[in-house]
Amino acid sequence: EDKVVQSPLSLVVHEGDTVTLNCSYEVTNFRSLLWYKQEKKAPTFLFMLTSSGIEKKSGRLSSILDKKELSSILNITATQTGDSAIYLCAVVLSSDMRFGAGTRLTVKP
Amino acid sequence: NAGVMQNPRHLVRRRGQEARLRCSPMKGHSHVYWYRQLPEEGLKFMVYLQKENIIDESGMPKERFSAEFPKEGPSILRIQQVVRGDSAAYFCASSPPAGGPWYEQFFGPGTRLTVL
Repeated sequence: EDKVVQSPLSLVVHEGDTVTLNCSYEVTNFRSLLWYKQEKKAPTFLFMLTSSGIEKKSGRLSSILDKKELSSILNITATQTGDSAIYLCAVVLSSDMRFGAGTRLTVKP
Repeated sequence: NAGVMQNPRHLVRRRGQEARLRCSPMKGHSHVYWYRQLPEEGLKFMVYLQKENIIDESGMPKERFSAEFPKEGPSILRIQQVVRGDSAAYFCASSPPAGGPWYEQFFGPGTRLTVL
């Protein structure tokens, strides 16, 4: 059965800290991996990763896919309170999509 | 505790037919959200419902699309007179009342609609 596992499930840090969120998957017919930020509204698209080893960057956020390890990480540097959210990982399959349970990040002032 | 369930998983319709997609939220969840998956991108919000109430339908096309979440039974996303452009994966998510709307959503496996 296809599955996507995120870790940790929750994380509490202080402003300025750097965090690394993990997403691992066991799926068939992998096509791409997506990261979302989920706040008080519908999930906001962050990154789409299809190729292994190529880092995608957007401001303080970056992400990379490792197809050999069947995993991806999302890094957030110099965290701010506005980064507090649930970060959702989703894997796109050939005819489907699977979501992880999310990592709840809390950034304290 | 079963997760969010959607059925059917795959649905094929001819142009002009109606499509009904069902979503059963997780036990204890009273909020349901419907999303459409855009190609190569991600999720587009369509509608947010609580039992017997539509709270936010700002992402729903004005015509042919409707959604309901009755007191008993699953939430239904209904597409009338389907066209080829409706072909997509439709995802449902649910959240518990304690967590507040929007925040902690659990996603179902999706229904892939193909319009011939």
